[in-house]
Amino acid sequence: NAGVTQTPKFRILKIGQSMTLQCAQDMNHNYMYWYRQDPGMGLKLIYYSVGAGITDKGEVPNGYNVSRSTTEDFPLRLELAAPSQTSVYFCASSYSGATNTEAFFGQGTRLTVV
Amino acid sequence: ILNVEQSPQSLHVQEGDSTNFTCSFPSSNFYALHWYRWETAKSPEALFVMTLNGDEKKKGRISATLNTKEGYSYLYIKGSQPEDSATYLCASPNFKAAGNKLTFGGGTRVLVKP
Repeated sequence: NAGVTQTPKFRILKIGQSMTLQCAQDMNHNYMYWYRQDPGMGLKLIYYSVGAGITDKGEVPNGYNVSRSTTEDFPLRLELAAPSQTSVYFCASSYSGATNTEAFFGQGTRLTVV
Repeated sequence: ILNVEQSPQSLHVQEGDSTNFTCSFPSSNFYALHWYRWETAKSPEALFVMTLNGDEKKKGRISATLNTKEGYSYLYIKGSQPEDSATYLCASPNFKAAGNKLTFGGGTRVLVKP
């Protein structure tokens, strides 16, 4: 049981390039989330999904896109990378949308845009 | 958007000493309070999810209390050990709707010195 797996772990992008951050979970969780973490700041929600085919914006969605074609996978797409997108990105999942349900996190992707 | 705050931002603890730190959150429309431990290069992991005023939870040498009326939670580490060095994150759900969308505090970074 691998939990939540993110790839890649590290990436350097040039301004204007695009990339997809991969996230997969093997716990059959319906709920999945993408957060970004900037130094000294709390994790901020980018996008979330409540099930295959259903996604919605979080607090900071600009510059990102997501899709959810399967229960397992929730990729995050960066179009036209900008230095402001330099951050650590975390994918998470939970088995329920109830507020007392813990989230399971991947190890993070550290992205630098230069 | 909720405002979840943690203090202090960082602290150094001598091995064997006990310590505690705070998470503050709005007391109105409270649903739950999550604590996560994030060790460098690892995934954040859930420590506690607390929902009831006066709740106390314990896991080994780490415990937490919750005061929903005044909007704060304390995390305690008793007899700190080097393996307790980590960033401790608290989070509260934005609202009781689809998806357990969490608002995180900035974290308290704990360094335990041998």
